[in-house]
Amino acid sequence: GQNIDQPTEMTATEGAIVQINCTYQTSGFNGLFWYQQHAGEAPTFLSYNVLDGLEEKGRFSSFLSRSKGYSYLLLKELQMKDSASYLCAPSWRGYQKVTFGIGTKLQVIP
Amino acid sequence: KAGVTQTPRYLIKTRGQQVTLSCSPISGHRSVSWYQQTPGQGLQFLFEYFSETQRNKGNFPGRFSGRQFSNSRSEMNVSTLELGDSALYLCASSEEVSFGYTFGSGTRLTVV
Repeated sequence: GQNIDQPTEMTATEGAIVQINCTYQTSGFNGLFWYQQHAGEAPTFLSYNVLDGLEEKGRFSSFLSRSKGYSYLLLKELQMKDSASYLCAPSWRGYQKVTFGIGTKLQVIP
Repeated sequence: KAGVTQTPRYLIKTRGQQVTLSCSPISGHRSVSWYQQTPGQGLQFLFEYFSETQRNKGNFPGRFSGRQFSNSRSEMNVSTLELGDSALYLCASSEEVSFGYTFGSGTRLTVV
């Protein structure tokens, strides 16, 4: 829904940096979540961006450009435990309606 | 604080039957949302409740319904089950939008 587009799979090396991009339609946009989901587990909250710019939280950073309908999640100093799906989830005006992208399955290799 | 609790964890039902899933949100969270997750479609929004009122609804047929009780606990019901309803059903609660959702472990429904 809402034309959320993110790569389906990515592979990166332990210790490296990876950027996961997400684009979405801008009409009615409110803010954007990123969630992490390990296989067989529930999604867990990583970040929420409302304003343009970069927000850093430890090894993870999230960027938002409202006018371009674009966000990315940046993961630094990759660890094996970062292998998971990363879900881009815009929220829309109209209370708390949040829609999720299909997710990017990240594999971290030694 | 206890997390979001969903029951049952697993269910096997036959086509045509109906099913009710339960979700107890984190204490103090008044917003409860339901999602269906399948490998091909990802997380699909079903509906969201706040203080016993449905505020948002996704694009699912009328066979999918829900409700929220005064203690914020929520149930969703699926009637006349179809094979395609086999999925992981996730419930998520939140206190404030910017705090994000906390998800339960989900109910894995298999329709045979």
